[in-house]
Amino acid sequence: SQQGEEDPQALSIQEGENATMNCSYKTSINNLQWYRQNSGRGLVHLILIRSNEREKHSGRLRVTLDTSKKSSSLLITASRAADTASYFCAPLSGGSYIPTFGRGTSLIVHP
Amino acid sequence: GAVVSQHPSWVICKSGTSVKIECRSLDFQATTMFWYRQFPKQSLMLMATSNEGSKATYEQGVEKDKFLINHASLTLSTLTVTSAHPEDSSFYICSARLPGGTDTQYFGPGTRLTVL
Repeated sequence: SQQGEEDPQALSIQEGENATMNCSYKTSINNLQWYRQNSGRGLVHLILIRSNEREKHSGRLRVTLDTSKKSSSLLITASRAADTASYFCAPLSGGSYIPTFGRGTSLIVHP
Repeated sequence: GAVVSQHPSWVICKSGTSVKIECRSLDFQATTMFWYRQFPKQSLMLMATSNEGSKATYEQGVEKDKFLINHASLTLSTLTVTSAHPEDSSFYICSARLPGGTDTQYFGPGTRLTVL
């Protein structure tokens, strides 16, 4: 399994602004997942995008996938203070279903 | 649905003692569960895959005699940190996936272990 590399490592914005974080990976994938981790808590699955999909939405979340560039982005629109958390991507390839994680993007949304 | 719980949520122990952490799937059966550890400001590192009714599969560099994993039923996996030392202090998180081949993992809330 491979781990994704999130960028930026840290992001600080004001409530109401949009937050964009990126994920790059090395080898071809079956799907890519995004997770959120609030401080001192476990991970929460946000969204899964398959390799044949280019864009997916879930509420205020928008995920894009560019397999030619081996990258994905997570956009949170109209951010809220409650969105403050670390965000991780997990690319899955081959027959693996076990996510491995990079350092994540630490998002702080100021009220 | 798809809730995973962990117990305890935090534990403090003395160096040299053993600590057991439980991971339960509350509303589904999990033939496979996963154990991760996370140091402050770091990523989650996969420690082992816990298989119901058989031996766990450990990742490279993880001591199987130190981190004992038992998956005795379809809803419970336990991680025992034996002869704990201060460097074992970490955040331990388990996860499980729904049966049927879905790739989505459901994570427990984590257990904070502090070894004095």
